[in-house]
Amino acid sequence: TQLLEQSPQFLSIQEGENLTVYCNSSSVFSSLQWYRQEPGEGPVLLVTVVTGGEVKKLKRLTFQFGDARKDSSLHITAAQPGDTGLYLCAGDNYGQNFVFGPGTRLSVLP
Amino acid sequence: DAGVIQSPRHEVTEMGQEVTLRCKPISGHNSLFWYRQTMMRGLELLIYFNNNVPIDDSGMPEDRFSAKMPNASFSTLKIQPSEPRDSAVYFCASSWDRANTEAFFGQGTRLTVV
Repeated sequence: TQLLEQSPQFLSIQEGENLTVYCNSSSVFSSLQWYRQEPGEGPVLLVTVVTGGEVKKLKRLTFQFGDARKDSSLHITAAQPGDTGLYLCAGDNYGQNFVFGPGTRLSVLP
Repeated sequence: DAGVIQSPRHEVTEMGQEVTLRCKPISGHNSLFWYRQTMMRGLELLIYFNNNVPIDDSGMPEDRFSAKMPNASFSTLKIQPSEPRDSAVYFCASSWDRANTEAFFGQGTRLTVV
């Protein structure tokens, strides 16, 4: 069974700070997705990374896929209260199965 | 399109009762997923369908759980009999295809079994 670990589990920061959250596994994934989930809602896709070493930017969010396609990071610059939510990574095992990590719960205080 | 529609949004039932959760996927999507989310276990895939056919139900916890997809626009997840440990938020999601594509989630059904 493939497992994804995410760290930290909880993160509370002040508006304007930078942060990085991590998604790690001992398994190789064909692609990895990052979702954000707000209270009372379902997860919403932020990005999909496919190539080892790939870096994608979405405004203040920077996503990186590890060279070996086993891990990924999400960096947020100048966090805003609107960034508050549960950040989930999800790995695709070459179409065999699709697993979610436990998530990082981010709180950005004004 | 209104997105993935789930009903009911909230369900409170007594232990032993049958519970049926409903999902209408986005029109044109050929993959449908049922997930369960709890604080302890996170988001778990229960079952997924491709072109209305169940492909992987290895996440279904036990025989009390069953899922059907009679057509491309409707799916149900049934729990019979329900138990307090089934309390969770159940999400339905759909996508164009199984792999490497965006999954669109519904708003979820919050189930409480007392």
